[in-house]
Amino acid sequence: QLVESGGGLVQPGRSLRLSCTASGFTFENYAMHWVRQVPGKGLEWVAGIYYNSVNIGYVDSVKGRFTISRDNAKNSLYLQMNSLRAEDTALYYCAKGAWEVDLTPAPLDYWGQGTLVTVSS
Amino acid sequence: EIVLTQSPGTLSLSPGERATLSCRASQSVSDNHFAWYQQKLGQAPRLLIHGASNRATGIPDRFRGSGSGTDFTLTISRLEPEDFALYYCQHYDASRWTFGQGTKVEIK
Repeated sequence: QLVESGGGLVQPGRSLRLSCTASGFTFENYAMHWVRQVPGKGLEWVAGIYYNSVNIGYVDSVKGRFTISRDNAKNSLYLQMNSLRAEDTALYYCAKGAWEVDLTPAPLDYWGQGTLVTVSS
Repeated sequence: EIVLTQSPGTLSLSPGERATLSCRASQSVSDNHFAWYQQKLGQAPRLLIHGASNRATGIPDRFRGSGSGTDFTLTISRLEPEDFALYYCQHYDASRWTFGQGTKVEIK
């Protein structure tokens, strides 16, 4: 199970930190991702972090503004979002990579229900 | 940057009919790193197919993925009422996960 939290209404230029708490699997062994969806629109991958916490990637539009991290002791994934823009408004999903202890790119086999981020003045 | 283009945008079919959804990549991709997802209204996406043709755990065999290179297809052999939903294709590599814009399968 994946449960996201931390969303809300925030002004442009401000920061927000999303959290995702995992249960039911060995969290430290899997890559984890954030994927967002503007209501009524398609899916956009935002960031991913492999199980080793070394291999990390971001979509170009958030590079330098967002930071993905994980705390394996707390079974938690985070997304620190700085310098937020109106176009960052979306439902943010936490998703799990399918392959265990593997640096091979993997599909996303489990998803949370999302937390809504609204960036508006 | 790989761009995935899905067609059609909307597919209007009746229960029991066959659905054929297409996804074209802007450049050749590894079929090992290609997936399909289903999303119902108000729900998170669900993985259907990975590696272009491998059904995920618990996915009925009426869902079939095929294709390679730049052209991939998701076929639903006989639509059940619960299959009317949005479908997304996805390519994943070492540093980027890219989705298509989606195909809506609606009841005719």
